[in-house]
Amino acid sequence: DTEVTQTPKHLVMGMTNKKSLKCEQHMGHRAMYWYKQKAKKPPELMFVYSYEKLSINESVPSRFSPECPNSSLLNLHLHALQPEDSALYLCASSADSLLNQPQHFGDGTRLSIL
Amino acid sequence: AQSVAQPEDQVNVAEGNPLTVKCTYSVSGNPYLFWYVQYPNRGLQFLLKYITGDNLVKGSYGFEAEFNKSQTSFHLKKPSALVSDSALYFCAVRDNSNDMRFGAGTRLTVKP
Repeated sequence: DTEVTQTPKHLVMGMTNKKSLKCEQHMGHRAMYWYKQKAKKPPELMFVYSYEKLSINESVPSRFSPECPNSSLLNLHLHALQPEDSALYLCASSADSLLNQPQHFGDGTRLSIL
Repeated sequence: AQSVAQPEDQVNVAEGNPLTVKCTYSVSGNPYLFWYVQYPNRGLQFLLKYITGDNLVKGSYGFEAEFNKSQTSFHLKKPSALVSDSALYFCAVRDNSNDMRFGAGTRLTVKP
């Protein structure tokens, strides 16, 4: 079982809906990440939080809005998404953002935009 | 900027045979190299990493990887493949930019 928990596992939403993806870890990690993964492609980094502060935003459209309420939780708020945003959204965490730390991934939320 | 290449989309091996999944990298400074595995409908699982030290790194599930600085490679290996090793494998690299960049992935199929 993964130590990073993502909910929901599946989400279908219309282009006008507002929804949120949630991620939780209790490993005491201080860095958390959102990735987008299209089918048969590698994950693409979206956001990095380090000590609850946003440290990297990889030029992600504003219809994706991350939030880190505390060191254990990471949310991704979705609004007015496009069909091309359909993908697997992966959350990951690491002990900190140092370069030698491996990332631990959740099983993802599979998002479908109608 | 760092990058990583996995030259093979697909690797097929027979169960019990050794396997190699290839990875080459390009970074401006010292490389921090990782291998991950992804099973269907799952997230990525960390297998092993190279930071510094011995060029041969041992990881989870009997996998190991050899760091070769002159060839800028970090190939994943296992002496005896299992059917359950069939999955998608990603090589990844970080450098001073702090981003984790993944290769395109290699699908490993181990046949009984």
